[in-house]
Amino acid sequence: AQSVTQLGSHVSVSEGALVLLRCNYSSSVPPYLFWYVQYPNQGLQLLLKYTTGATLVKGINGFEAEFKKSETSFHLTKPSAHMSDAAEYFCAVSTGGGNKLTFGTGTQLKVEL
Amino acid sequence: GAVVSQHPSWVICKSGTSVKIECRSLDFQATTMFWYRQFPKQSLMLMATSNEGSKATYEQGVEKDKFLINHASLTLSTLTVTSAHPEDSSFYICSATPRGAGGLETQYFGPGTRLLVL
Repeated sequence: AQSVTQLGSHVSVSEGALVLLRCNYSSSVPPYLFWYVQYPNQGLQLLLKYTTGATLVKGINGFEAEFKKSETSFHLTKPSAHMSDAAEYFCAVSTGGGNKLTFGTGTQLKVEL
Repeated sequence: GAVVSQHPSWVICKSGTSVKIECRSLDFQATTMFWYRQFPKQSLMLMATSNEGSKATYEQGVEKDKFLINHASLTLSTLTVTSAHPEDSSFYICSATPRGAGGLETQYFGPGTRLLVL
């Protein structure tokens, strides 16, 4: 069984400030971890993923995430928020290739001037 | 690369009618396609998993006779909502995993189809 917990359904930051979106997972086998972003009335866009290897992964739009096995976490960060980052962010876990994703409940990121 | 399209993007239908939603992988062959449902301000709930040429695997609680899935080719899967009712109104999103090495772990999502049943 696998599950994902995203702490904070809403996060608000100022433009230029650090973005930190939290994700903790539970998995009985080594996980594959993903962050997706969803803009209003659109599908999901892959930001980044961790499968194996380097635990710090870089994605699009300046986002990165670090897989910490000891903390069962995969938090998403961006050094400097931009207005265009305002969206819904979903963390997801799977147990391997072709296997289904389990999503967290999502975090709505608001970026203020 | 890895573009997934859905058609239509939104549809309004009368209660009791059936609606078909198409999901296409435009620039890759998809080993597996997934169908999700998303209620307003909620996460995605997996409805079913389909592999080309075989029957779909439905998640617990999803009525297979109501949500018919056909995966006729490596680039096309369809979801038909049969005898739709207002409670079926939702945002339906498909995803696909590329065929071939190195791609199976990643799902690429379509833009979604908003269904409103009157």
